[in-house]
Amino acid sequence: GALVYQYPRRTICKSGTSMRMECQAVGFQATSVAWYRQSPQKTFELIALSTVNSAIKYEQNFTQEKFPISHPNLSFSSMTVLNAYLEDRGLYLCGARGQGAISNERLFFGHGTKLSVL
Amino acid sequence: QQKVQQSPESLIVPEGGMASLNCTSSDRNVDYFWWYRQHSGKSPKMLMSIFSNGEKEEGRFTVHLNKASLHTSLHIRDSQPSDSALYLCAASTNTGKLTFGDGTVLTVKP
Repeated sequence: GALVYQYPRRTICKSGTSMRMECQAVGFQATSVAWYRQSPQKTFELIALSTVNSAIKYEQNFTQEKFPISHPNLSFSSMTVLNAYLEDRGLYLCGARGQGAISNERLFFGHGTKLSVL
Repeated sequence: QQKVQQSPESLIVPEGGMASLNCTSSDRNVDYFWWYRQHSGKSPKMLMSIFSNGEKEEGRFTVHLNKASLHTSLHIRDSQPSDSALYLCAASTNTGKLTFGDGTVLTVKP
């Protein structure tokens, strides 16, 4: 079946340091990958969206300088949170879509990477 | 920027009762609505999606969509304590962007 793996599940970093998280789509060919952050208050924010043959598009309030994303292909994506501070805490979710029309393919989520900042 | 509004913020229903959750998008380019359920400490799992006007039923779950008003609702009949979770509504456009609402916390009391 289709799965999305995220690593690590939890991480703690000191304020001002950086941490990298990874996402891998297994069992299907991802055609788009989105990174979301769910705040401790449970609010969802889209950080960035990558689709086949287009550049990574960052949402308002999120920048490549702060959240650089790299992926050799859409089945594997990594994102780094640079200079993490308290406001960066939350659950970082990777969602991947498979082949088919972009809008009507369901988004599979990984378990997320929970980031705590000390 | 597209906004997805969900209401109510929280809802308590008795076991066996009907839970009704609402969601509206402000983006005319939206073509699909999705309902996800997230149990505490878990990742969101898709419940149902809808793109046509009308109603779609799967077991105890029914989704309605009014495309003119970009309003969708999720109804859970015979609610069970295991249905207690955060219910997230999301809207997608043909660019592939999926925008989530802030969710409705459903509590089903035994």
